[in-house]
Amino acid sequence: QKEVEQNSGPLSVPEGAIASLNCTYSDRGSQSFFWYRQYSGKSPELIMSIYSNGDKEDGRFTAQLNKASQYVSLLIRDSQPSDSATYLCAAPRGGYQKVTFGIGTKLQVIP
Amino acid sequence: DTAVSQTPKYLVTQMGNDKSIKCEQNLGHDTMYWYKQDSKKFLKIMFSYNNKELIINETVPNRFSPKSPDKAHLNLHINSLELGDSAVYFCASKSTDTQYFGPGTRLTVL
Repeated sequence: QKEVEQNSGPLSVPEGAIASLNCTYSDRGSQSFFWYRQYSGKSPELIMSIYSNGDKEDGRFTAQLNKASQYVSLLIRDSQPSDSATYLCAAPRGGYQKVTFGIGTKLQVIP
Repeated sequence: DTAVSQTPKYLVTQMGNDKSIKCEQNLGHDTMYWYKQDSKKFLKIMFSYNNKELIINETVPNRFSPKSPDKAHLNLHINSLELGDSAVYFCASKSTDTQYFGPGTRLTVL
């Protein structure tokens, strides 16, 4: 079982819809989780971090964490074509020094 | 100012050659990383240094040798390049819990 699993997609949503990106992890000891966005040909950039069970909102983005189910999700409301990118879920291990990334979900927002 | 910079951006070379990629960060972070992103876009950690000391060394062929002359620099030297080394290599530096990635170096081995 991979440490961090994501569906590689592509996930296609119409402009203005809610995009839902999902991630599961295997290490029950993981305490924090991150969502990175990577545009094609560019480097990953952090867009959300979440440490506690429940929801965390930042603008159009909401991260959701359920530690009992070992599940993390990212919701993007009012999706825009500029949100089209690959979204990488990540979890640190070993005192935050090592970060394991999922394979990433490619999101396509259709105008 | 670029926070994490890498040179070169593109590197095309023949099998068997030796090449280096340089990375510099001006963020004052103690921890730096090298990642490899292959054709399937999977981002895998290779090495991590904390204040010039190697702290993570994943299962990477010993043809890959990182060097950190100071905490702002982490270079990657690759000996005897193979076709399978073709990938994008990202350098990153880390604050408390955020990693800042460089622009990447696209290595193509012919």
